Amino acid sequence: AQKVTQAQTEISVVEKEDVTLDCVYETRDTTYYLFWYKQPPSGELVFLIRRNSFDEQNEISGRYSWNFQKSTSSFNFTITASQVVDSAVYFCALKTTGGGNKLTFGTGTQLKVEL
Amino acid sequence: DGGITQSPKYLFRKEGQNVTLSCEQNLNHDAMYWYRQDPGQGLRLIYYSQIVNDFQKGDIAEGYSVSREKKESFPLTVTSAQKNPTAFYLCASSIGLAGQQYFGPGTRLTVT
Repeated sequence: AQKVTQAQTEISVVEKEDVTLDCVYETRDTTYYLFWYKQPPSGELVFLIRRNSFDEQNEISGRYSWNFQKSTSSFNFTITASQVVDSAVYFCALKTTGGGNKLTFGTGTQLKVEL
Repeated sequence: DGGITQSPKYLFRKEGQNVTLSCEQNLNHDAMYWYRQDPGQGLRLIYYSQIVNDFQKGDIAEGYSVSREKKESFPLTVTSAQKNPTAFYLCASSIGLAGQQYFGPGTRLTVT
């Protein structure tokens, strides 16, 4: 069975601080995909990144960066110099190659960025 | 604009009534999905459809039904058998089952 754990329920930071959102996953499959989605107050899920299990390179996109470590089954997300617009719920999700493309979601981390 | 539309954004129903949530996409995606989100929880899969006239149960299909008569549309009916229907419902689509899923804006259903 697949499982995604986001232990941080809520994080509050002051604008311009760096913040890391943790994600730990469990799967027995050797081929899988990991995702991060952002859910602003409007409710729609916004895709941020997809990473497959064979690509452990870290990725940077502007103020966002992702650290994928298979040895610890983690896929952490860092926002550098946070802004108020980053306030949202962030979900980590796992997809394995079987099971109808089902995404297994973590419970999400509520990020609040204050002035 | 290409995308996924869900209507209405807010829906209110009395207990015991069936209600149908709309999901339409113009992305030409084959696969479509319905998820349910409860406060403080992640999304859980209700049903998914790989192609027209075919659909499969997800993790929490009890009390729900779907149809897929057209590629663009995947309506979800919340029946009176669903014991706790109040939730936020999100529809998604992907090119194929292996493709990345794109999400609609969601419908917030309140049953009293």
